[in-house]
Amino acid sequence: QQQVKQSPQSLIVQKGGISIINCAYENTAFDYFPWYQQFPGKGPALLIAIRPDVSEKKEGRFTISFNKSAKQFSLHIMDSQPGDSATYFCAAYGTSGSARQLTFGSGTQLTVLP
Amino acid sequence: ETGVTQTPRHLVMGMTNKKSLKCEQHLGHNAMYWYKQSAKKPLELMFVYNFKEQTENNSVPSRFSPECPNSSHLFLHLHTLQPEDSALYLCASSHPSLDTQYFGPGTRLTVL
Repeated sequence: QQQVKQSPQSLIVQKGGISIINCAYENTAFDYFPWYQQFPGKGPALLIAIRPDVSEKKEGRFTISFNKSAKQFSLHIMDSQPGDSATYFCAAYGTSGSARQLTFGSGTQLTVLP
Repeated sequence: ETGVTQTPRHLVMGMTNKKSLKCEQHLGHNAMYWYKQSAKKPLELMFVYNFKEQTENNSVPSRFSPECPNSSHLFLHLHTLQPEDSALYLCASSHPSLDTQYFGPGTRLTVL
């Protein structure tokens, strides 16, 4: 059972455009929602994260919008650049036993055309 | 740099081979993780170690055997793997009470 659903699977955007990636979750016990960015040959790296008591968080060109009632959150990349081309994963933290566990979405491969 | 290193970066093995993946973190963290990453699928958590103790084993087949001799090193021992085990294996570490995991670059495993 996939607990975090991510769409689209791939996204092509022109330079300067807005990239939008959407995620939905099922488990209401999730309490922290990070986004990871992964370049080819590298491991995922934390990009930005939000807690469910906040509806929006912005860091530079990256913004997370969070809708707790709909159990949805999204990543917006403003003024997208070719260097943003990477795979983006949404994720959600919950507690399992004594450990914090991270559940990932399936990823979105973003290509920004020059 | 994330401070998490993995060796080897690429590994090709036959189904009857035995090999090991190594992960080392230089971040002073006490929690370490193994993930499996397959194309177009979510990262799958395999094992979790907190303070060298295994706290999670997400129904991983016994042909994968983790070892955590200290809080800086993590191994994944592989034996009699199947072709469907071919994937990118990622190691990560974190402080147990902080919600940020730092990933290594992964080992690309191909099972023939």
